[in-house]
Amino acid sequence: AQSVTQLDSQVPVFEEAPVELRCNYSSSVSVYLFWYVQYPNQGLQLLLKYLSGSTLVESINGFEAEFNKSQTSFHLRKPSVHISDTAEYFCAVRPNSGYSTLTFGKGTMLLVSP
Amino acid sequence: EAGVAQSPRYKIIEKRQSVAFWCNPISGHATLYWYQQILGQGPKLLIQFQNNGVVDDSQLPKDRFSAERLKGVDSTLKIQPAKLEDSAVYLCASSLGRGLYTEAFFGQGTRLTVV
Repeated sequence: AQSVTQLDSQVPVFEEAPVELRCNYSSSVSVYLFWYVQYPNQGLQLLLKYLSGSTLVESINGFEAEFNKSQTSFHLRKPSVHISDTAEYFCAVRPNSGYSTLTFGKGTMLLVSP
Repeated sequence: EAGVAQSPRYKIIEKRQSVAFWCNPISGHATLYWYQQILGQGPKLLIQFQNNGVVDDSQLPKDRFSAERLKGVDSTLKIQPAKLEDSAVYLCASSLGRGLYTEAFFGQGTRLTVV
């Protein structure tokens, strides 16, 4: 079984400040790792994913995440946030074999203020 | 490309009533998922279909929840009778389902309030 821990339920930041949203996971098998974003009254959208290869992955809107196997972490970072980044962010894992499904963390609400 | 469609968007019912949600996945997607997202929590998988067969329903409360995917396309999720703790957003997602990894695309969800 897998589990995902997002320690921060809410992260308030000012616009143009850097941010890090933390994610730690537990799994007895190898996993794929994901960050999803959920804007108000919308469904989940995939932000970025780690499947294999380079441990640093980037999204098209300036977010990046680094897979750290020894620390079982997949923290999400952005050097300068915008008001439009205000949303809930979910970290998720999935075993990399079989008919496996996503296990989500509880989410972190990113609140960007001017 | 059309996304995952869900209806209704919102539903309010009294406890002990029944309710049904509908999901139309992306065309050609073999795998369909139903997730329950309670306020303040991450989505939790209720059931996964591969075409019209159930792959995983281990977390589905089978005494009151049921789901079907006739013909391997659309799916319905039913709750009968509803309890107060069933208040949540019900998300449907679909993926191609072939290969080691295929991305899951989510619908906007149905927000259920049980009063």
